[in-house]
Amino acid sequence: DTGVSQDPRHKITKRGQNVTFRCDPISEHNRLYWYRQTLGQGPEFLTYFQNEAQLEKSRLLSDRFSAERPKGSFSTLEIQRTEQGDSAMYLCASSYGQPYGYTFGSGTRLTVV
Amino acid sequence: AQKVTQAQTEISVVEKEDVTLDCVYETRDTTYYLFWYKQPPSGELVFLIRRNSFDEQNEISGRYSWNFQKSTSSFNFTITASQVVDSAVYFCALQFTQGGSEKLVFGKGTKLTVNP
Repeated sequence: DTGVSQDPRHKITKRGQNVTFRCDPISEHNRLYWYRQTLGQGPEFLTYFQNEAQLEKSRLLSDRFSAERPKGSFSTLEIQRTEQGDSAMYLCASSYGQPYGYTFGSGTRLTVV
Repeated sequence: AQKVTQAQTEISVVEKEDVTLDCVYETRDTTYYLFWYKQPPSGELVFLIRRNSFDEQNEISGRYSWNFQKSTSSFNFTITASQVVDSAVYFCALQFTQGGSEKLVFGKGTKLTVNP
């Protein structure tokens, strides 16, 4: 069990560019979640997968955001045409599902300049 | 609506003091889960405890204890004899179960600073 891995840890991008983040969950976990955390706030839910199926999406996930989990393993979160308001920590987590808690990764910190 | 309120934004204590972090939640669900997570400066959220809505028994784990009271919709967290390593942001979270949703709703967190 190597935990949840996220890559990269930090990303600085210019406004308007596209960025993609990767999350590798704990291998036995079939659930994978993406959250966003801005400074001074708690994490906010973005989306979640059960295996390869995306089962829930938040209204926070605008058309510029897309997430995939091909083959039910790793997941990617892409943000197109980044805006300064996208600057945040993007957290990935995985679990066996309810009633178990999540295991979070260390996050990817995005800075849009 | 599902909501978690952590009214204390920041708390500062001196080592060995006891400290209680407050959490009040709102939900119409009868079945739900409550969590506490710790977020040290490194950024990773560390799971501390999960409690389901049918289990109001308080829990103690070493220096940590949790007081769950459905009557007041509160799930408070106490650290006894605090240590510098306890310095972190602590989040309370609610997970509701109806409709198949598995998302966690987090409070805004309480930043705890333990001074030597």
